[in-house]
Amino acid sequence: GAGVSQTPSNKVTEKGKYVELRCDPISGHTALYWYRQSLGQGPEFLIYFQGTGAADDSGLPNDRFFAVRPEGSVSTLKIQRTERGDSAVYLCASSTSERGAAFFGQGTRLTVV
Amino acid sequence: GQNIDQPTEMTATEGAIVQINCTYQTSGFNGLFWYQQHAGEAPTFLSYNVLDGLEEKGRFSSFLSRSKGYSYLLLKELQMKDSASYLCAVLRNDYKLSFGAGTTVTVRA
Repeated sequence: GAGVSQTPSNKVTEKGKYVELRCDPISGHTALYWYRQSLGQGPEFLIYFQGTGAADDSGLPNDRFFAVRPEGSVSTLKIQRTERGDSAVYLCASSTSERGAAFFGQGTRLTVV
Repeated sequence: GQNIDQPTEMTATEGAIVQINCTYQTSGFNGLFWYQQHAGEAPTFLSYNVLDGLEEKGRFSSFLSRSKGYSYLLLKELQMKDSASYLCAVLRNDYKLSFGAGTTVTVRA
C-alpha cells in the first residue's frame, strides 16, 4: 500500500479482555517496529522485526504482550488480560532496511475501561 | 540502554528561528532521526544524520556531533503550521530505534 496501515483506528475494550492490533507495512519494507505512546510522551519501543523474526522484543512490558509477523509483512500485536494501564496509542512503523527512515501508521488508540 | 534528552517546550514567534537540542547516551550508534508530530497524528520523518555535520533541507536543518552525543534541529522562518512536537530518535548498532520524550514547539503570531 501507499503507507503504513493500522487497524482498528480506535478500540475500546473491557479490563481483562484480549485484543489484537494489526499493522500492514509499506510493501517491500523488511523492518517493522511497534511502539506505544502515552499523552505528552515520545513513542516507547516495544518490539522490532526484521523479516519474520523478532530481532528485539526487549520493550514488551510483560508476558501479556506478544507480536507476530508470520510472513514477513503484516504484523499483529496481541495483548492478553488487558489492564487500564495498557490504554495508549499503539504505533507501527516500517522501513526499507535496518538503516532506513521509519514511516509510521496513524496508530490504534486503545482504551481499556 | 540509552538516555535521550530534549527540552520539554519551546515558544517562538512566526518568522523567527528556533533550535531544538538533543543529547544522547547510547551503547552503539547508527544514526539520529528527527520526526515531527502534530497533535493526534503519527510522527513524520524530517531528517537523518549519521555523520558529523549539518544537513540542510529547506527551512529545516539538522546537526550532529557524535563525539559529543549531541544533535540539534533548526527551524527557520517559522510558520504557524510548525507548531508541533519534535522527536529526537537514536538508532543503535542493533537497529533498535529509541525516541526522546519530544519538544513541543508553539509558534505565536
